[in-house]
Amino acid sequence: KAGVTQTPRYLIKTRGQQVTLSCSPISGHRSVSWYQQTPGQGLQFLFEYFSETQRNKGNFPGRFSGRQFSNSRSEMNVSTLELGDSALYLCASSANRLANEKLFFGSGTQLSVL
Amino acid sequence: DQQVKQNSPSLSVQEGRISILNCDYTNSMFDYFLWYKKYPAEGPTFLISISSIKDKNEDGRFTVFLNKSAKHLSLHIVPSQPGDSAVYFCAASGDASGSARQLTFGSGTQLTVLP
Repeated sequence: KAGVTQTPRYLIKTRGQQVTLSCSPISGHRSVSWYQQTPGQGLQFLFEYFSETQRNKGNFPGRFSGRQFSNSRSEMNVSTLELGDSALYLCASSANRLANEKLFFGSGTQLSVL
Repeated sequence: DQQVKQNSPSLSVQEGRISILNCDYTNSMFDYFLWYKKYPAEGPTFLISISSIKDKNEDGRFTVFLNKSAKHLSLHIVPSQPGDSAVYFCAASGDASGSARQLTFGSGTQLTVLP
């Protein structure tokens, strides 16, 4: 079974641009979550999607948005990029939304904003 | 305000010895705790978890201890192996609705196991 796939692996953008990151969950998984990892900050929760609906949202500005498609694939968009948006963006999937269900992470997209 | 704290950014241990990684939390609503391991250029992988109704959970060389009164948990690795060298993240979740998809992570501890 293929794992969580994130594309692209690396991305370089300039301030003010926008970017779209893609995540394909493990086959059969319906929940997709996004996290931002910056040096020394751990992983910060961005949002979670299940059945094409955003179920939960972290404390990030409205420039960060996402969506989920009927095949459970998810995209995340960041508009008007700022230098501070440089980070590793991780996607995680789980089969459902059961309590204490394990999350499976992708390898991430490393975004650099110049 | 960091609700999950890993105060040691790094830890070095000799191969064969015990590694102890610590984690503190402040939110008393957290009821499920996890440890993830992360190698460079890879996503975090689940290691072990513990529910707040327990104080210990063991899986092979890995044991997690939870002290609810102190809001503290620790991960013990015995014996430590060079392949255990990675960044270890402590994470917590808690949701009154029972669906806890939002994990709150600590900042991580880089474990280096010396041969």
